[in-house]
Amino acid sequence: KNEVEQSPQNLTAQEGEFITINCSYSVGISALHWLQQHPGGGIVSLFMLSSGKKKHGRLIATINIQEKHSSLHITASHPRDSAVYICAFTSGGGADGLTFGKGTHLIIQP
Amino acid sequence: NAGVTQTPKFQVLKTGQSMTLQCAQDMNHEYMSWYRQDPGMGLRLIHYSVGAGITDQGEVPNGYNVSRSTTEDFPLRLLSAAPSQTSVYFCASSYSDRNTEAFFGQGTRLTVV
Repeated sequence: KNEVEQSPQNLTAQEGEFITINCSYSVGISALHWLQQHPGGGIVSLFMLSSGKKKHGRLIATINIQEKHSSLHITASHPRDSAVYICAFTSGGGADGLTFGKGTHLIIQP
Repeated sequence: NAGVTQTPKFQVLKTGQSMTLQCAQDMNHEYMSWYRQDPGMGLRLIHYSVGAGITDQGEVPNGYNVSRSTTEDFPLRLLSAAPSQTSVYFCASSYSDRNTEAFFGQGTRLTVV
């Protein structure tokens, strides 16, 4: 089952570029999460949102519930932003945890 | 405040051996879960718990057991390790099962030979 699709799968950009990672899902959700995973590292929660837009530093997350789509934007990207970015959601019913996308592997070159 | 503590970080097992992956959280979270991460796939839910004494199966529960005797601890047991269980395992916790931020352990890289 592919209830959540992320694009692109891989992205290489130059330092300073504006980055957009997309996430589309096919079921009703109660919340959408954006997570970050550095190589060999743990997973860190960046955002949890159920509507609208959230901003934290250079990171912005948006969600359109009607279109079942969310985006993660990184402004003024930096090599330390290089990581895997994962979209995940909790569904509208049942305590069945998070359903994850496969992740977007981002590399920011100096 | 340690967050979610997961041990060990690395483990090599022989086929047929058993072991327990430990997970503890100090945030008084009710919801805890175990996921496995395999190349080319998203993380998949193994087992979860909505509170002490309550556990349930996720998407890929076969070969794994869990228990939740306290709010803090949620160990994952591999009963008889198989090469197909070679993976990276993550424990996570959150205040409830939805609409709350999830906190993850650092992961356990398990190799079964």
